[in-house]
Amino acid sequence: AQSVTQPDIHITVSEGASLELRCNYSYGATPYLFWYVQSPGQGLQLLLKYFSGDTLVQGIKGFEAEFKRSQSSFNLRKPSVHWSDAAEYFCAVGEISGGGADGLTFGKGTHLIIQP
Amino acid sequence: SAVISQKPSRDICQRGTSLTIQCQVDSQVTMMFWYRQQPGQSLTLIATANQGSEATYESGFVIDKFPISRPNLTFSTLTVSNMSPEDSSIYLCSVYGVRTEAFFGQGTRLTVV
Repeated sequence: AQSVTQPDIHITVSEGASLELRCNYSYGATPYLFWYVQSPGQGLQLLLKYFSGDTLVQGIKGFEAEFKRSQSSFNLRKPSVHWSDAAEYFCAVGEISGGGADGLTFGKGTHLIIQP
Repeated sequence: SAVISQKPSRDICQRGTSLTIQCQVDSQVTMMFWYRQQPGQSLTLIATANQGSEATYESGFVIDKFPISRPNLTFSTLTVSNMSPEDSSIYLCSVYGVRTEAFFGQGTRLTVV
């Protein structure tokens, strides 16, 4: 069965500093990978996704992520964080099988705190 | 893209009662998914709903507790039956297709008292 690990439950970053959120997955096939952000009381917003091709993907709000098959990782990065980036970040993995699309498996999330 | 509308957005229910959550999509989709997000937790897949067939439930979730209907390609319902405080969660509907992103509704925030 697939699994997603986000090893950092909380991360605190100073405003303007760079950010990297880690995500590792366990999957038998080529996964479809996603990063979502959830602000308090809000729904899920897709930041970026990887299906195939260029392993460095650009997303919204200045985020990017790099797919590294050898490390089974899909880490999220941002060169300079803003106070509005404080939120919960979820990495998720999906698969397209013979029966169609499977539901996503989510990591436990990383809570990002931005300090002035 | 797909726009998903969920009803109700929130509800407070008495234990022992049932609540049916509706999910409407603005386009036809083959598969719809229901997730649960318990307080302070991540999302867990409850079941996959295909039009015209019975829903497929993940481990730990059963049809008697979470019956699902999928009458057509744009609509699904999830019922939370015989509720207890442990069912207090956000329930989300999602659609996801081949080589597309997964779209989520805004969720239904359920509190069981």
